[in-house]
Amino acid sequence: IAGITQAPTSQILAAGRRMTLRCTQDMRHNAMYWYRQDLGLGLRLIHYSNTAGTTGKGEVPDGYSVSRANTDDFPLTLASAVPSQTSVYFCASSDGLAGTTGELFFGEGSRLTVL
Amino acid sequence: GQNIDQPTEMTATEGAIVQINCTYQTSGFNGLFWYQQHAGEAPTFLSYNVLDGLEEKGRFSSFLSRSKGYSYLLLKELQMKDSASYLCAVMDSNYQLIWGAGTKLIIKP
Repeated sequence: IAGITQAPTSQILAAGRRMTLRCTQDMRHNAMYWYRQDLGLGLRLIHYSNTAGTTGKGEVPDGYSVSRANTDDFPLTLASAVPSQTSVYFCASSDGLAGTTGELFFGEGSRLTVL
Repeated sequence: GQNIDQPTEMTATEGAIVQINCTYQTSGFNGLFWYQQHAGEAPTFLSYNVLDGLEEKGRFSSFLSRSKGYSYLLLKELQMKDSASYLCAVMDSNYQLIWGAGTKLIIKP
């Protein structure tokens, strides 16, 4: 089944540890995104990539890094986790083609708790 | 600043109609999206409006007025499975999505 796969689905992490959230898509979409979702707030963009080999900062990039070595994979790394990074993280992709709606396709989310 | 406003929570009865409003103030406009998100799940795309007017898709319709910075999502013949959060998002002049906090819709029998 085509779509986006995120791993892990849930993780409890000690503060100060390094963590990488994995995201893989098989739809050959050009654009990929990482969002965090916190209660009472809208989805907030962390980082994005318009195409393989390029990345950009979103609204809340501090403490996070990404890479886009190929079209399919877009991992998100927390270099040294802090409790404020406790959240649900969603990876998303879009084809970004002219004439399309640009709708986002989301992964199932990764629930991260930093203690 | 950029801002998307939608009610935090709404309650409706099974079989009825409900309208979820969204107002926005953004730097430019390149379309408005509605997404549905069931508890513990990923958001899924419902609708996209870029021109003024009503877009109908089965039991769901979405309306846009660009001059008023206003949209609504209309759900007809409500079913229990429609209990979810509904997210409004606007694409600004830089083609970045600005998200509202979502409206939690509770359907009662």
